[in-house]
Amino acid sequence: GQQVMQIPQYQHVQEGEDFTTYCNSSTTLSNIQWYKQRPGGHPVFLIQLVKSGEVKKQKRLTFQFGEAKKNSSLHITATQTTDVGTYFCADGSGNTGKLIFGQGTTLQVKP
Amino acid sequence: DGGITQSPKYLFRKEGQNVTLSCEQNLNHDAMYWYRQDPGQGLRLIYYSQIVNDFQKGDIAEGYSVSREKKESFPLTVTSAQKNPTAFYLCASSRLAGRTEAFFGQGTRLTVV
Repeated sequence: GQQVMQIPQYQHVQEGEDFTTYCNSSTTLSNIQWYKQRPGGHPVFLIQLVKSGEVKKQKRLTFQFGEAKKNSSLHITATQTTDVGTYFCADGSGNTGKLIFGQGTTLQVKP
Repeated sequence: DGGITQSPKYLFRKEGQNVTLSCEQNLNHDAMYWYRQDPGQGLRLIYYSQIVNDFQKGDIAEGYSVSREKKESFPLTVTSAQKNPTAFYLCASSRLAGRTEAFFGQGTRLTVV
């Protein structure tokens, strides 16, 4: 069934360092969505990728969708303390209607 | 003010009692979802509904039940059959199931003692 693996589970960085989280699937994804959950909060949608090889940027965040549509990554350049939280990828395979989340990567940023 | 509302924010129940968590949306979304989140873990899908009067089991449906009698409402009942019900429960909705962004409620933290 649908399953997405996300690594690493935790990442501690010094403020100003870069950060990357990876999402992998054994099956082809119709789309991949990324969410951020602040501590004590609820997930908030960041972006959706649909096309093979797609790259999208939001300020310091860069999202990529693999050529085979089986993996995706989120890269944050020059982290800030406001980037703290858990980042989730989600498999939005339209055929089933399910939205399946990866385990998430929790980012801690030391000022 | 459009959005998705979960109530209550905190809920305490005694073991063996059924409890119903509310989820209401006024976004006119067809799809709604229930997730369970345990400390340090991801979101696990309990039930989802692609359209009113229809719903499907997710990955961890045992011990839970839902209904979707109205488009805007998708209540979740945690039954006494759920072995470990203490968790953070999140409801979400999206315009098209699995294909558009999901909007989440604030969540309900259920503690069973």
